[in-house]
Amino acid sequence: DTEVTQTPKHLVMGMTNKKSLKCEQHMGHRAMYWYKQKAKKPPELMFVYSYEKLSINESVPSRFSPECPNSSLLNLHLHALQPEDSALYLCASSQGEFSYEQYFGPGTRLTVT
Amino acid sequence: GEDVEQSLFLSVREGDSSVINCTYTDSSSTYLYWYKQEPGAGLQLLTYIFSNMDMKQDQRLTVLLNKKDKHLSLRIADTQTGDSAIYFCAETGTASKLTFGTGTRLQVTL
Repeated sequence: DTEVTQTPKHLVMGMTNKKSLKCEQHMGHRAMYWYKQKAKKPPELMFVYSYEKLSINESVPSRFSPECPNSSLLNLHLHALQPEDSALYLCASSQGEFSYEQYFGPGTRLTVT
Repeated sequence: GEDVEQSLFLSVREGDSSVINCTYTDSSSTYLYWYKQEPGAGLQLLTYIFSNMDMKQDQRLTVLLNKKDKHLSLRIADTQTGDSAIYFCAETGTASKLTFGTGTRLQVTL
């Protein structure tokens, strides 16, 4: 099973809302990632968790707050977002941090109104 | 920092071969990858090549690596309409993280 699942598939939220994106994998991978992808652009790395600890934060604004409750789950908590944060948010996982095979989920399409 | 470049668009006829090219600047790249992204979907890892190899074949896919020129290519034989997508090359090197290319949109016409 090489599946990474993400919920919800689509999310529309106002600038004052608080919402969360969820990601799950059952491949026993110990590294999980959040990427942001704008239209017609490549994914941009946001956060990396390795063995459930935050390893990399690519200078992401604090209105994005990641959480790794256990080795299979990764959340991204959203609060006070801006319209320019509208994008496809992709979760990925790999055996180890930046080990050669990263498996991506289908993404959550976020629209901030 | 590392830079990975691709041409933006490629159009081929169904049944022909497609060749998607990629150039990178990081001479310490260890692994190089090809990902496929269909509209509204996540990224699917198609294949990867280790930097000490110069070719890898996997069914209809052939990856060629010219390390001297820092050039990577993906050849898709007998291209089908289902191959229409955006293709990203990516590499891991000095910074360890995955650095993506700009993406090439492949259009397959009948």
